[in-house]
Amino acid sequence: DVKVTQSSRYLVKRTGEKVFLECVQDMDHENMFWYRQDPGLGLRLIYFSYDVKMKEKGDIPEGYSVSREKKERFSLILESASTNQTSMYLCASSLQLAVLTYEQYFGPGTRLTVT
Amino acid sequence: EDQVTQSPEALRLQEGESSSLNCSYTVSGLRGLFWYRQDPGKGPEFLFTLYSAGEEKEKERLKATLTKKESFLHITAPKPEDSATYLCAVFQGAQKLVFGQGTRLTINP
Repeated sequence: DVKVTQSSRYLVKRTGEKVFLECVQDMDHENMFWYRQDPGLGLRLIYFSYDVKMKEKGDIPEGYSVSREKKERFSLILESASTNQTSMYLCASSLQLAVLTYEQYFGPGTRLTVT
Repeated sequence: EDQVTQSPEALRLQEGESSSLNCSYTVSGLRGLFWYRQDPGKGPEFLFTLYSAGEEKEKERLKATLTKKESFLHITAPKPEDSATYLCAVFQGAQKLVFGQGTRLTINP
């Protein structure tokens, strides 16, 4: 079974703090993703990575950065947390093989509250 | 722009009452449609992948079907533990998915 783990289930941070969210997958997947999920807005892609040290912006990258130093680990960084970044953050990973499209497997999520 | 629309937004059924959830999509050249189940406060759990019109997949009480414009998730004789939000997503390109808003399903005992 694919396992995607996230460093925290719940996190409370203050405005202006630098926040690190970590994600680890154990299936040797090439692709990793960070989403946020908000009521009424659904799942929105922040960043994704298709290889170590490679990253691509998603639909809402502003205020975020990412790091992928090892294949199994993908970190999301909030440079200076703001209250509008209070959300559920979800990490996912997927296989990449030629031109085929594979399903994404999600972690349990981190509920971040910025006060 | 690629879009995914799910209906209804919410559905309440009695235990054993079969029904279907709809996922309509507009995407040029479908390369994969995915169904997920999400329980409150948890990450989405992968259910099915469909690649071409006419394809069907089954898992326990769930069956997913695909046409050229929409997908259905049929739930046969549901149980209370089938209560969840069901999400549909289509492949957008460069390994990215675009998700629908989901259908919140409640099964009453």
